[in-house]
Amino acid sequence: AQKITQTQPGMFVQEKEAVTLDCTYDTSDPSYGLFWYKQPSSGEMIFLIYQGSYDQQNATEGRYSLNFQKARKSANLVISASQLGDSAMYFCAMSGASYSGAGSYQLTFGKGTKLSVIP
Amino acid sequence: AAGVIQSPRHLIKEKRETATLKCYPIPRHDTVYWYQQGPGQDPQFLISFYEKMQSDKGSIPDRFSAQQFSDYHSELNMSSLELGDSALYFCASSPRDRGLWNTEAFFGQGTRLTVV
Repeated sequence: AQKITQTQPGMFVQEKEAVTLDCTYDTSDPSYGLFWYKQPSSGEMIFLIYQGSYDQQNATEGRYSLNFQKARKSANLVISASQLGDSAMYFCAMSGASYSGAGSYQLTFGKGTKLSVIP
Repeated sequence: AAGVIQSPRHLIKEKRETATLKCYPIPRHDTVYWYQQGPGQDPQFLISFYEKMQSDKGSIPDRFSAQQFSDYHSELNMSSLELGDSALYFCASSPRDRGLWNTEAFFGQGTRLTVV
């Protein structure tokens, strides 16, 4: 079974500063994918960044980067130069591998971290 | 770019009524997933479809059923609604040809169901 743990229920960051949101995971599968999503108060789930378990380099997407430490089973999200619009709930999620060919790669989510950016 | 389309965006139903939620995946995405997110909760996987066949099942109540049609859109049917079914229901889609595991999982904007 897969498990995602986000230990920070809430975080505050000053505008224009960087912030790290923690995520640890547990799986017995050697192949997996890690995702981060942003959910604003309006409710939509916005895909931010993806990291594959065999990727050698940390993923980056604009102001978002994923600090992937495989041995420690952590996949922290780093947001650089925080903006007021970054205030939202952030979910870390994991997708396992499907060896059966069924084509189903459902996501397991953490409980989320609510980020508040202070002007 | 085209995104996952869900309808309706908001739905209010009374207890014991039936609701149908629709999902139109991103073009060329042949796998559809349904998730339920209760208030203040993380999304929970309900069910998924690949090439119009059910591919996996999560914590979906027996009162719920779903299917994927020939044009790859999917519908989630919910009967005998209960107050506890009030939640945000997400549909997500991904392409099959991505190897062993998912590298793309894009969500629709969700349907907010309120049962009164």
